[in-house]
Parts: sequence; structure tokens; C-alpha cells
Amino acid sequence: TQLLEQSPQFLSIQEGENLTVYCNSSSVFSSLQWYRQEPGEGPVLLVTVVTGGEVKKLKRLTFQFGDARKDSSLHITAAQPGDTGLYLCAGAYNQGGKLIFGQGTELSVKP
Amino acid sequence: KAGVTQTPRYLIKTRGQQVTLSCSPISGHRSVSWYQQTPGQGLQFLFEYFSETQRNKGNFPGRFSGRQFSNSRSEMNVSTLELGDSALYLCASRLTGDYNSPLHFGNGTRLTVT
Repeated sequence: TQLLEQSPQFLSIQEGENLTVYCNSSSVFSSLQWYRQEPGEGPVLLVTVVTGGEVKKLKRLTFQFGDARKDSSLHITAAQPGDTGLYLCAGAYNQGGKLIFGQGTELSVKP
Repeated sequence: KAGVTQTPRYLIKTRGQQVTLSCSPISGHRSVSWYQQTPGQGLQFLFEYFSETQRNKGNFPGRFSGRQFSNSRSEMNVSTLELGDSALYLCASRLTGDYNSPLHFGNGTRLTVT
């Protein structure tokens, strides 16, 4: 059974602070996706990383895929209240045939 | 382009009853996946349909079933409801059967079992 460990589960910070969310597995991903979910809505894709060592930037968000394609991180610079939400990582496995989600990180950014 | 539509948005059922949830994918998308989301377990994969065939199934009891129609619309059925089935049920579609391609989610059906 493939597992995705996401940490931390909860994060409450002040506006302007930086933060990093981690996503780890013992299995190798063929790709990893990051989603953001707001209350009352479904998750929305932020980014997909495919190549080991890949770094993608989306404004103040930086996504990194580990060299071995077993882990990923999401770094937010100068967090804003609008960044508040549930952040989910999801891994696709070549042998698995499905997308597996981590438990999610509940981020709260206070003004 | 319309997004993924799930109906109904909210449902309240009693233990022992059955329920059917509906999902209309984005036009042209052939793959539909279902997930159960709870605070304790996160998003748990239920099953995926592609061109009317169940392609993959998660670790849920047989009370959970689904199907996909020729127009790619999908339904999910839960029989003999239990209190623990209370959750947000999310449907997601993707254009192809490639597991690396992104999922487009609906806003879910919130099921409460009393």
C-alpha cells in the first residue's frame, strides 16, 4: 500500500511569514501534484512536477520535487491571508494506477 | 466550459438507507474518479471509471459501488448506510486515462448519516 506522509497537519502563522509543507513517501512517484482546497469547494490544482530535482514557481509559491522522486515540498514566501486553505499533495505511481493523496496541511494566515 | 457538477450538494440520510450521488464531468473528459473526504482520513480513493469501465478500486466495502454511462456521467451508490459514511464525497474528471494528468474536482456532496 502506497502512503503519502504530509507535514505539518496544521499551520497557523502571521501574515508576512514564510512556511514550508512537506510530502514524503517510500515509493517513487511518476509525478506529484499539489492542490489547494477552500471550504465548501473541491481541490484545485496548483502545479504538477514530473522530473526529479524539478523546481516550479507560482508567484510566491515554490514547489520542489526530490531528486529520487520520493518527496516534494511547497514553500510559501511572505504568506498572505488569501493563502489560507487546505494544501494537498497527490502522487501518481507507475504501478499503482491511481492518484494517492496526503492527509493535507491546514494553513491559516492571520492578518 | 462548465466544470464538474455534483448533485445533490447536501444529503441527510438515516442508518440502513441507501443513497445515490451523481457527477457530470467536464465535457470531453472520459475518466471519472470518486473520493471520500473526512477530517480524520483525508481524501480516500473509492474508484475510477474510464469509458464506462471500472479501471481501479480503493479499499472500501462492497456497499460502495459506482457506474459510468456512455456520456461519461457517473453515479455512486452506497447501500446500508452507516454513521461512519458521513463525509464529503468528491468526484473528479480528467481528459485522458493518464494518471499523471490533473484531476478537476467538483464541489462535492456532503452526506450526513444519522
